[in-house]
Amino acid sequence: DQQVKQNSPSLSVQEGRISILNCDYTNSMFDYFLWYKKYPAEGPTFLISISSIKDKNEDGRFTVFLNKSAKHLSLHIVPSQPGDSAVYFCAASHHLGNKLVFGAGTILRVKS
Amino acid sequence: DAGVTQSPTHLIKTRGQQVTLRCSPKSGHDTVSWYQQALGQGPQFIFQYYEEEERQRGNFPDRFSGHQFPNYSSELNVNALLLGDSALYLCASSLTGMLGNSPLHFGNGTRLTVT
Repeated sequence: DQQVKQNSPSLSVQEGRISILNCDYTNSMFDYFLWYKKYPAEGPTFLISISSIKDKNEDGRFTVFLNKSAKHLSLHIVPSQPGDSAVYFCAASHHLGNKLVFGAGTILRVKS
Repeated sequence: DAGVTQSPTHLIKTRGQQVTLRCSPKSGHDTVSWYQQALGQGPQFIFQYYEEEERQRGNFPDRFSGHQFPNYSSELNVNALLLGDSALYLCASSLTGMLGNSPLHFGNGTRLTVT
């Protein structure tokens, strides 16, 4: 029972353009959503989060959008840089700090 | 500011053996969670420790157990190892606060191979 799904295993984007990573969830109890970035041989690094009371949160080049009615969130990276190439995980929880349910990840490649 | 540290980084064990993985949380954090990441998948929650007690548990058998020490560090123990236990084991720490909790900060993981 996959409660958090990232349907795109990989995404390739040109440097300077926008990267859009998508995530869908099924559990209505989730009220906190996070994006993590993972480089090879490193642990996931927290990027940005959003609570269910908001529909947008922005931090520099990263913006997360939440559509509760569609149970969908997306991460926008503008402009994309080669150093953004990594695996991106979407995660959800019922209250921040509780167990996270992760998607399978999307490999982002930013070409220079 | 030391982040989350895990040891060892790699480990090879034989089926049926037991293993102990260790984790020191980020400075200032008091809550430790453990996750298992199989190849090509996202991390899966094993359990969380707070105030030296298991606070939440995921869908893992009793062969997986843990402990949290007074200094907030933690151990993950796996008994009777199976081939399917081969994975990256990630420790994450956070701060449990009255006004809310902090996002999880992850260590670099321990790569366990069971042969």
